[in-house]
Amino acid sequence: DTGVSQNPRHKITKRGQNVTFRCDPISEHNRLYWYRQTLGQGPEFLTYFQNEAQLEKSRLLSDRFSAERPKGSFSTLEIQRTEQGDSAMYLCASSLWADRDAEAFFGQGTRLTVV
Amino acid sequence: DAKTTQPTSMDCAEGRAANLPCNHSTISGNEYVYWYRQIHSQGPQYIIHGLKNNETNEMASLIITEDRKSSTLILPHATLRDTAVYYCIVKGGTASKLTFGTGTRLQVTL
Repeated sequence: DTGVSQNPRHKITKRGQNVTFRCDPISEHNRLYWYRQTLGQGPEFLTYFQNEAQLEKSRLLSDRFSAERPKGSFSTLEIQRTEQGDSAMYLCASSLWADRDAEAFFGQGTRLTVV
Repeated sequence: DAKTTQPTSMDCAEGRAANLPCNHSTISGNEYVYWYRQIHSQGPQYIIHGLKNNETNEMASLIITEDRKSSTLILPHATLRDTAVYYCIVKGGTASKLTFGTGTRLQVTL
């Protein structure tokens, strides 16, 4: 499978715990995006990387959230001190930034439930 | 990025063409129209995109009006597997993120 891979697919955690999600993009893609989606809403942008550089962060990305892409390949998204409001689907996407109209390909997402 | 307006929901009979409209009256000259869909519990799937000209691929056709203020996604022969939420997104060529609205929920029925 050469698509975007996300792990785990599901995560249940207690409030206050830290969680980390992983995203493996399509191998030649240099851009990687994180989105969050709550029930009944479209995905909301969180942050994106070009290679290892984090180029933009949404105001949705509070201080408890941190994302890394250390070698420009896979990425991790960590949420510290989880809150019930963090319950959502976390989606990763990747694209090849070579020209102006590159489309993004999404993974299946990680569904987080904070209890 | 320009805002888009889509109907909340639509129905289509299996085997018929599904025509999903999108209004984007504030679109700028360098902004593309993208369509994605999201089947329940899956990540969004890219369908097609265009700038000015009509586009067609193996999944769908995209018709953009001459003034570029609206577009229509056409699924020529809808099947039950096309039941999904369809998102119309306007994005500048150099922009990074996709800004999703709430989309159109397409229900394909027998």
